[in-house]
Amino acid sequence: QVRLQESGPGLVKPSETLSLTCAVSGNSINSGYYWGWIRQPPGKGLEWIGSIYHSGSTYYNPSLKSRVTISVDTSKNQFSLKLTSVTAADTAVYYCARGGGDYDDWGQGSLVTVSS
Amino acid sequence: EIVLTQSPGTLSLSPGERATLSCRASQSVSSSYLAWYQQKPGQAPRLLIYGASSRATGIPDRFSGSGSGTDFTLTISRLGPEDFAVYYCQQSGSSPPTWTFGQGTKVEIK
Repeated sequence: QVRLQESGPGLVKPSETLSLTCAVSGNSINSGYYWGWIRQPPGKGLEWIGSIYHSGSTYYNPSLKSRVTISVDTSKNQFSLKLTSVTAADTAVYYCARGGGDYDDWGQGSLVTVSS
Repeated sequence: EIVLTQSPGTLSLSPGERATLSCRASQSVSSSYLAWYQQKPGQAPRLLIYGASSRATGIPDRFSGSGSGTDFTLTISRLGPEDFAVYYCQQSGSSPPTWTFGQGTKVEIK
């Protein structure tokens, strides 16, 4: 049974960089899945941010591509999200998830608030 | 970029009734890559249906998915009290891989 757990600061200042990590247990991150980040602003719908394949290839939402970096640390079996130049519009619950064409396992989510 | 439009925005039904949720794509979507999720307040989304019509592990058979091309449907045959939630459709594309969600349909108690 795979388990994903997000971690990182819950408060980020405007113009700074949001950084989150997703620790994976019960499944090797090298096992052939896509590992993704999805966010959900308060009271709104889901937005795919980007994904990384086990090979290290990355894929980003075109609307966020210029600000997003996803990386993987196989030694720690975790992957990370960096989102630069954040504004209040980036306030959301950030989920990490495992999948292929769909995401079948999700973390519990991490609320990140952008505020000074 | 494919846009998914879900309707209705809100569905007000009573327990035991049938729910029919629609997901329309702006261009043809491979059925292999159309999924449905359920999300309850304070929880992460849960995969219900993948490949347009296959139920995920542990999903009751009152949930069913159908459709092809640009029109897809999630049907809940008899609503249980635990089924009142928000439902999202999602498609994934290739070359390069991308994932897109619909805006969601809320199923509420009438």
